[in-house]
Amino acid sequence: DIQMTQSPSSLSASVGARVTITCRASQSISSYLNWYQQKPGKAPKLLIYGASSFQGGVPSRFSGSGSGTDFSLTISTLQPEDFATYYCQQSYSTPYTFGQGTKLEIK
Amino acid sequence: QVQLQESGPGLVKPSETLSLTCTVSGGSINNYYWSWIRQPPGKGLEWIGYIHYSGSTNYFPSLKSRVTISVDTSKNQFSLKLGSVTAADTAVYYCARDNYYDTRGWWFDPWGQGALVTVSS
Repeated sequence: DIQMTQSPSSLSASVGARVTITCRASQSISSYLNWYQQKPGKAPKLLIYGASSFQGGVPSRFSGSGSGTDFSLTISTLQPEDFATYYCQQSYSTPYTFGQGTKLEIK
Repeated sequence: QVQLQESGPGLVKPSETLSLTCTVSGGSINNYYWSWIRQPPGKGLEWIGYIHYSGSTNYFPSLKSRVTISVDTSKNQFSLKLGSVTAADTAVYYCARDNYYDTRGWWFDPWGQGALVTVSS
């Protein structure tokens, strides 16, 4: 199985800040990497697929980059509604696997 | 706009079988793959497996001996059965549609709202 490791596991930041979450795969996964946002009590919501492609309706302050084993999700200017948990997920091979999550909290 | 809704018992006894159904509305179940994903309370996400509308399946290896995913295209539904459950199977269970694009891979969207299943006597 491909292991996905996110860092940091938690992060405190202020509204208006720029934040970056990283995700590392245990082997090369090309660009087959997705990012999801999950708020408490809600289902995950797709933000980015294929490492850098935007899902419709996702604000442009979210961006994804990377290929191979190292990926990142950047939020350029944090808004109050962005405080949530973020997960990366690889689809290079089954079983599909997720990172452990990064909890983004308000400072 | 496609919507998914999980349904089934919220409480299952240890050693019994967990059964959930996902109903797809606003679109056809045909021509897609459909997945089940779970999340234990306070923990991360775990993919359980997928089914193609034709019936082909792929399961997470560690669950393979206990999992069956089936599809009923006439009802626009797919289902999950997980046998011999223990407390470790207590989780919110989500159904989701798998989407694919060449060079972008597969991704889950949309998701159902989730169904909490508790394993307890």
